[in-house]
Amino acid sequence: QVQVQESGPGLVKPSETLSLTCTVSGGSINSYHWSWIRQPPGKGLEWIGSLFSGGSAFQKPSLKSRVNMSVDTSKNQFSLRLNSVTAADTAVYYCATDGGGYSLYWGQGTLVTVSS
Amino acid sequence: EIVLTQSPGTLSLSPGERATLSCRASQSINRNLLAWYQQKPGQAPRLLIHGASSRATGIPDRFSGGGSGADFTLTISRLEPEDFAVYYCQQYGSSPRTFGQGAKVEIK
Repeated sequence: QVQVQESGPGLVKPSETLSLTCTVSGGSINSYHWSWIRQPPGKGLEWIGSLFSGGSAFQKPSLKSRVNMSVDTSKNQFSLRLNSVTAADTAVYYCATDGGGYSLYWGQGTLVTVSS
Repeated sequence: EIVLTQSPGTLSLSPGERATLSCRASQSINRNLLAWYQQKPGQAPRLLIHGASSRATGIPDRFSGGGSGADFTLTISRLEPEDFAVYYCQQYGSSPRTFGQGAKVEIK
């Protein structure tokens, strides 16, 4: 069974770039499409974007200008970069498989706080 | 962007009772591409239902999904203690994918 683990800094300063990595084990990263989803503390889920194995990517329009996603097949990793962060970007960030739109396998999530 | 509205916001029930959660979309969802997730505190969401009515692997048959177009439901036929959680619907029929605001099933 695929296992997914997010990693990255837990604290990012305003206006800087949030960088997270999702490491996949138990399967090839190429076997799946991938998504980033976030959840502000005490709030609901928000889809950030998805990257498909063929290379095409889709992002939430309101985040598109700040989001970059990539895959490193040699490391079996999926990455997220979110530029120019503000306090509104404080959230638990989840990496998850994308099975044509829904997510079966999820990481445990990593809390990123934006604060000076 | 399709807005999903879940109701009720909180459902207070006892173990053994039936729970029915609603997810209403601001417009018809393409090919009924709607999923349901369960989330417990401190945990990642868990996929329950996809394609409006298909149970994910390993999900007990007390969970069922129904509906079409813009109105969908998640039914838990008999609540078990481990079913008290927050439930989210998500549409993936059009971009951007969106989630409902969540509905909490709590112990009465």
